[in-house]
Amino acid sequence: AQTVTQSQPEMSVQEAETVTLSCTYDTSESDYYLFWYKQPPSRQMILVIRQEAYKQQNATENRFSVNFQKAAKSFSLKISDSQLGDAAMYFCAYTSGTYKYIFGTGTRLKVLA
Amino acid sequence: NAGVTQTPKFQVLKTGQSMTLQCAQDMNHEYMSWYRQDPGMGLRLIHYSVGAGITDQGEVPNGYNVSRSTTEDFPLRLLSAAPSQTSVYFCASSRLAGGPGLYEQYFGPGTRLTVT
Repeated sequence: AQTVTQSQPEMSVQEAETVTLSCTYDTSESDYYLFWYKQPPSRQMILVIRQEAYKQQNATENRFSVNFQKAAKSFSLKISDSQLGDAAMYFCAYTSGTYKYIFGTGTRLKVLA
Repeated sequence: NAGVTQTPKFQVLKTGQSMTLQCAQDMNHEYMSWYRQDPGMGLRLIHYSVGAGITDQGEVPNGYNVSRSTTEDFPLRLLSAAPSQTSVYFCASSRLAGGPGLYEQYFGPGTRLTVT
């Protein structure tokens, strides 16, 4: 069975600094998709970034980028120039090309002014 | 487009009571899902539907029923609420988007349910 593991329950970063959130997963599939979702205090789930396993190039979206290591089954999220609005729960998620997603347990990110 | 809407936003129930959490989407998506979010557990799939009239169980289906009579609506029923069902519930709808087999999920705002 596929699993997604986020080993950091909580992280802190100083405003304007860079932080990396970790995610590992386990699957026997060769084709799949990985996601990072942000959940601010409003509870709304917001898609931050997506990575296709068949793409070698790491995805980037403005200040957010991933380090996708397929052989190591690792998918970390780097947030550059952290802002107060980045404070939230971040969830890593996996799907093997179906509508069913598997989520990690989340990492709470605190941004210190 | 309202996207995915959920009602109510908050609900308190007594043990043994029943209720229905409503979910609706106006994006004509075929696939809809219900998740529950508990501290330290992430989001876990309760039930899902691949189209009107078709539903199936997810990871944690016990104590919940669903039906899908229309494409738009996917209500979640708690038949006899228990304190273990205290959680935040998210409805999501999905569409096939872009890459092969890529289903993009759109989430509702969630319902916080407390069972006393």
